[in-house]
Amino acid sequence: EAGVAQSPRYKIIEKRQSVAFWCNPISGHATLYWYQQILGQGPKLLIQFQNNGVVDDSQLPKDRFSAERLKGVDSTLKIQPAKLEDSAVYLCASSLGGANVLTFGAGSRLTVL
Amino acid sequence: GDSVTQMEGPVTLSEEAFLTINCTYTATGYPSLFWYVQYPGEGLQLLLKATKADDKGSNKGFEATYRKETTSFHLEKGSVQVSDSAVYFCALKPGAQKLVFGQGTRLTINP
Repeated sequence: EAGVAQSPRYKIIEKRQSVAFWCNPISGHATLYWYQQILGQGPKLLIQFQNNGVVDDSQLPKDRFSAERLKGVDSTLKIQPAKLEDSAVYLCASSLGGANVLTFGAGSRLTVL
Repeated sequence: GDSVTQMEGPVTLSEEAFLTINCTYTATGYPSLFWYVQYPGEGLQLLLKATKADDKGSNKGFEATYRKETTSFHLEKGSVQVSDSAVYFCALKPGAQKLVFGQGTRLTINP
């Protein structure tokens, strides 16, 4: 089966600019996750969707980050305006249901200058 | 809250050496436990998992046993190869809740 697709793989922007990342999960996977992985740290959950509803966004900085999952399939994560500390790899993952194993995409590496 | 603590890295070993990477966790209830691996330039891949106490997960020569009494899930391999060089993450998942990761342990295997 096709894996979790993410784009772009790399993005360099200046602080205060905006950026958007796209994720297409494995077909049929109802649950979609966005994680932030800062260099040298473990991934941290930003937001979890079940179909097109939000299950957990407790660690999403809502003043600058937003995410949507239209039609319960693919998802977009946006940062506006970006800060230096947003430099990280943004990982998308999906699972059949919330209790199942997660499959991760390759990630989108963001550098904020 | 739920948390995972991993052995500090980096860890450097010679080929064919025995590997142990320690992982302990704090959680309410009975979470599933995982080891994920991240090879250079690639995304996270599931290495192995265990869903209940005393379960042993295994894959590619790696093993880890779910020890409820010591709240541990240590990763072991009897004879490492250069190709095992990667960052290893221990993680827990309480049911349908989020996957919580440790900070990762970078492993380098020298020929």
